[in-house]
Formats: sequence, C-alpha cells, structure tokens
Amino acid sequence: EDQVTQSPEALRLQEGESSSLNCSYTVSGLRGLFWYRQDPGKGPEFLFTLYSAGEEKEKERLKATLTKKESFLHITAPKPEDSATYLCAVRDSGGSNYKLTFGKGTLLTVNP
Amino acid sequence: EPEVTQTPSHQVTQMGQEVILRCVPISNHLYFYWYRQILGQKVEFLVSFYNNEISEKSEIFDDQFSVERPDGSNFTLKIRSTKLEDSAMYFCASSEASAGAPHFGQGTRLTVV
Repeated sequence: EDQVTQSPEALRLQEGESSSLNCSYTVSGLRGLFWYRQDPGKGPEFLFTLYSAGEEKEKERLKATLTKKESFLHITAPKPEDSATYLCAVRDSGGSNYKLTFGKGTLLTVNP
Repeated sequence: EPEVTQTPSHQVTQMGQEVILRCVPISNHLYFYWYRQILGQKVEFLVSFYNNEISEKSEIFDDQFSVERPDGSNFTLKIRSTKLEDSAMYFCASSEASAGAPHFGQGTRLTVV
C-alpha cells in the first residue's frame, strides 16, 4: 500500500480558475509533510512544510493545509507560470528520521 | 538565494563503468541526501549523511553505491559498476536540521548504455 497518494494525477485549469490538489498519507507518526514543485527536467523546488494537523502555510497564490490523514494544496487564481508537477512527501517517525517518501505528483496545467 | 549545485548535468556511461556524481550542498547545511527519479516514476530516497557518516539508507543503496564528503564543500555519490537500470535523474539535497525540508539540486541525468 502506498504511503503517499496524490490526486488527481493531472489537472487542467483555465487561468484564474481556483482548485485544490490532494495528498493522502499513512504514517506511524508524522515528522513533517512537504510540498514541492517540479518543472520538467529539474529538481524539486521546496514550497512548504507542515508539521501538525490544523497548520496552514501560504505563499503567493498557494496555500497548504494539513489534517491527520491528508493535506491540500489550494491554488487561487492560477497563472500559466503555475504549470508544473506538484509533489507531496512525508517523513514518518515510525521507522525513519531522515527519509522523505514521495507521492507520484499532480501534473497541473494552467491554460491562458 | 543559496542553492545546491550538481555536476555534471548529464552523464552517459557504459554498463559496468564507475561513475561519480558531484554535489555542493548549501553551505550552512549539515544533513545531506541523495535521491533518484527514474523517468516517469516517483522520487526515491537513496541515502542520508550526517557528521561524516551514513545515517540512513534505502534498499536501493546496495554495495554498488557509496557516498563521501571528501572536503568541506563537496558531497559525492559513486556507483561502482553501473547497470542499465541505474539510468535515472539523481538529485542531491541538503537541509539545515534533521527535521527540516531538504533543498534539492537540479539533478544529474545518468544514462547507462
């Protein structure tokens, strides 16, 4: 069973059309949930870290939220430059102090 | 803004050859990592390194792999005898604290032929 499941796999939006990406996770103990953005052929670019349920972080048009079972990345009024793959990752204190386990990502396309 | 730098950006090697991938982590970071991403697949953890020793490694990181911090700035990943299935993007990352977010480099695309 996957520890991190992201949905949808792909999402196509019109510029200005707000939406949310989902990351469901299963851990023994959460030692951080991380959101990254990845452009084609590039490394993951750090966006947010969330550590406890109820926590929220914001940056420009992006807002990340966390519950005990899932995290959402809300995108408000997206622009074409927000097009990328968004990755979710968790650090599980149940067996690891360092390792991040990634989901498969959501490929976001924003059309002008 | 400080960043993790990796060299080379692309390396092509013959099966069975040794390769060394190089990384310069962010200067005040203490924790270093290697991850890889096979085309179309998830980013996968390989190894973490702290205080000049491996702190954790995955099942992928077998005896063919090794890491080293040869000086105060570089961090390397060596693959002793490359296989076709080692073809992937290899990402170096570093973090300030063990609970902190790893910051990734732009990757080295390794192609084994």
